[in-house]
Order: sequence, then C-alpha cells, then structure tokens
Amino acid sequence: AQSVTQLGSHVSVSEGALVLLRCNYSSSVPPYLFWYVQYPNQGLQLLLKYTSAATLVKGINGFEAEFKKSETSFHLTKPSAHMSDAAEYFCAVSVVRGYQKVTFGTGTKLQVIP
Amino acid sequence: NAGVTQTPKFQVLKTGQSMTLQCAQDMNHEYMSWYRQDPGMGLRLIHYSVGAGITDQGEVPNGYNVSRSTTEDFPLRLLSAAPSQTSVYFCASSSSGSASGELFFGEGSRLTVL
Repeated sequence: AQSVTQLGSHVSVSEGALVLLRCNYSSSVPPYLFWYVQYPNQGLQLLLKYTSAATLVKGINGFEAEFKKSETSFHLTKPSAHMSDAAEYFCAVSVVRGYQKVTFGTGTKLQVIP
Repeated sequence: NAGVTQTPKFQVLKTGQSMTLQCAQDMNHEYMSWYRQDPGMGLRLIHYSVGAGITDQGEVPNGYNVSRSTTEDFPLRLLSAAPSQTSVYFCASSSSGSASGELFFGEGSRLTVL
C-alpha cells in the first residue's frame, strides 16, 4: 500500500521568503508523485508531477520539487513567496492497481504574510 | 472548455433524505472518481469508474452509490443521508488509468446533513 505524509498542516512565510512544504511517501513500487494546489472554494489543480524522467521537477507559478529516493521525499519549494501563493497544497502518490489509485496527503495550508 | 462540472455547489439535507450529486466532464475522459474532503484528512476516494458501465468502490464507499451510463456523467447518490456525510465532495476525471495521469477536478459540492 502507498501513503504520503505531509509535515505541518499550516505553514506561514513572509512575502518574498522561501517556501518549503514537506512530503514523504511510502510505496512498494516505483511511485508517481504529484503536488496539487487548492485555492479557496475551488477544486484541486496540478502544480507539478514526478514520473521518473528527472528528479528535479519544475511546475507552474515558480514551484519546483525534488524527488529523493534515499529519503523517500518529494518536498515542494519556491524561492520567493507571493501573496497569491496562499492556498492549500496536497502531495499525492499514484500507482496502478487495476485502476489509477491516487492517495492524497492531509494537506498543508500556506499563509503568506505581507 | 468547461472541464469537470459539479452540481449543486451547496446543499443542506436532513438526516434520512436522499439526493444525487451530479458530475459531468466534456474531455472524453474514461476514468472518473468521487472524493470527499474532510478537515485534516485530505481527500479520500469514495467510488471510481474506468469507463461507461464499469464502477468500483474506493476507500470509503459506505452510504454512497454510483452508476456510469455514459462517458460524460458520473452521478453520486446518497440514499439515506447521515451527519457523518457532511463534507465537501469532489469529482475528478483522468484521460487514462495510467499512474502518471493528471486528475482534473470539479469545483466541489459542499454538503451539510443536519
């Protein structure tokens, strides 16, 4: 069975500061990993995904994530936070078990302080 | 392009009432699924479908029924609502069952059961 753990349900950063959202995964097979973002009162949308092509993955809005197999981690980073980054971020792991089984983490709410 | 459309956006039910949450997608996606989102628990899979006429249970299927008569539509039925079903429900679709596939989400349906 696969799972993801997101450390910190709430993270606050100052505008312009580094954003670091942590995600660790567990999977018995090579995983596909995703970060989704949810803005208030909206559905989730894909930020970026790891599909084994490259360990450093760049996504939309300046976000990137690095897959580290030895640490079973897929942390999300952005060098400089913007007010518009305030949202909830979900890490997810996906495997195929006859169907695409996507398991989501519990989410991290990012607050950006002006 | 509308993507994934969910109706209604908000609904209040009394315990024991029934209702159907509608989900429609216009991307010709084979794979569709329903998730519920509860605070601190991330998204949990209720039911999914890998094509018209094919449905199966996810992690938390009790109290919910689904059917898939067309590629476009995937309604979720609550036969006898309970307060524990108070949640935000998301419908998602994907172009294939590949583990690397992106999920496209609707904007959610917020359900309160009194």
